[in-house]
Amino acid sequence: QKEVEQNSGPLSVPEGAIASLNCTYSDRGSQSFFWYRQYSGKSPELIMSIYSNGDKEDGRFTAQLNKASQYVSLLIRDSQPSDSATYLCAVMGSGAQKLVFGQGTRLTINP
Amino acid sequence: GAVVSQHPSRVICKSGTSVKIECRSLDFQATTMFWYRQFPKQSLMLMATSNEGSKATYEQGVEKDKFLINHASLTLSTLTVTSAHPEDSSFYICSASKGADNEQFFGPGTRLTVL
Repeated sequence: QKEVEQNSGPLSVPEGAIASLNCTYSDRGSQSFFWYRQYSGKSPELIMSIYSNGDKEDGRFTAQLNKASQYVSLLIRDSQPSDSATYLCAVMGSGAQKLVFGQGTRLTINP
Repeated sequence: GAVVSQHPSRVICKSGTSVKIECRSLDFQATTMFWYRQFPKQSLMLMATSNEGSKATYEQGVEKDKFLINHASLTLSTLTVTSAHPEDSSFYICSASKGADNEQFFGPGTRLTVL
């Protein structure tokens, strides 16, 4: 079983709709969770971090964490074509400095 | 802010030569820096974790004698790919952490092509 799993997609969403990206992780002791956006040929850009159960909102982005279900998600409201990218879920395990990345979900927003 | 730079952004070299990549945190002191490699259509693979003034910790399967990491200060880490071969061609990305909240900020990456 992979440590961090994401649906690789591609996920296609019409412009203006809500894009929902999901991620599950295997290390129950994980404490820190991150979503990165990566455009083709570029390096990842941190867009959200979340550390406790519940929702965290930042502009059009909402991260949701459920530690009991070992599940973290990212919602993008009012999706724009510029949101088209690969979204990487990253988890920091208990007692570790390093991030474990999922394979990424490729998101396409259709005008 | 949390800006990380990398130099060079792109390098082409001949097989057997060595290439040095620099990673700098521009507006913060990085307690820890990380080096990743990414092959096309794959996710990031951590190569090593580097703390200032101490030896890097390499991930399983990464040859420490081939990928030399030096972390001389809280704002600079370097990765040297020694005796590069075509299979080392990849996108090398560094990241830096302030320590607080464990957030990592990525540099723009270095695309290495070994002929």
